[in-house]
Amino acid sequence: DAGVTQSPTHLIKTRGQQVTLRCSPKSGHDTVSWYQQALGQGPQFIFQYYEEEERQRGNFPDRFSGHQFPNYSSELNVNALLLGDSALYLCASSPGLAEEQYFGPGTRLTVT
Amino acid sequence: AQTVTQSQPEMSVQEAETVTLSCTYDTSESNYYLFWYKQPPSRQMILVIRQEAYKQQNATENRFSVNFQKAAKSFSLKISDSQLGDTAMYFCAFMQGSGGYQKVTFGTGTKLQVIP
Repeated sequence: DAGVTQSPTHLIKTRGQQVTLRCSPKSGHDTVSWYQQALGQGPQFIFQYYEEEERQRGNFPDRFSGHQFPNYSSELNVNALLLGDSALYLCASSPGLAEEQYFGPGTRLTVT
Repeated sequence: AQTVTQSQPEMSVQEAETVTLSCTYDTSESNYYLFWYKQPPSRQMILVIRQEAYKQQNATENRFSVNFQKAAKSFSLKISDSQLGDTAMYFCAFMQGSGGYQKVTFGTGTKLQVIP
């Protein structure tokens, strides 16, 4: 039983570019949340998708957008990248709106 | 807005000894969940233990236990018989328990080093 998977593992982009990160939830899970973890910090909630809709959003600008597909996988898109967007992006899944979330290994994004 | 504070950026403990990591939080909610997550150097975040606010009994998972003081809004993690594999970042986290909210608020973490 595969856990939460994320791709790619590492990514290097230039300021102003756009990036798409991908997440496949754990089998049986239909809710996906995205977090940004800057170096040396705790994860910050970006948004959550359930039933293909964005249900909640943290304090992130509209440059951060997402999508959830019918198979429950999800994408995080970031437009007009800034140096400050460099971070580890974590995806977490859960069954429905259960409180226990399972995290993926993350995607390390570096913006130069 | 909820806040989670971990006042110990780094801690160390001798192998086989006991260590306690501190966490305080602030919320006006009465129904919520608290968690301790472990993030080893390999980066994968792993749930260590969880506590429902409505439960008075402190949660325990093998060598890990919590001291939940609801009135004081304190949620500390005790690791007994520390092992080298316990070396990791530990994050305290809060989740509101009503209205289908699942946003998790994390603290800034405590880096724990277990010394052989």
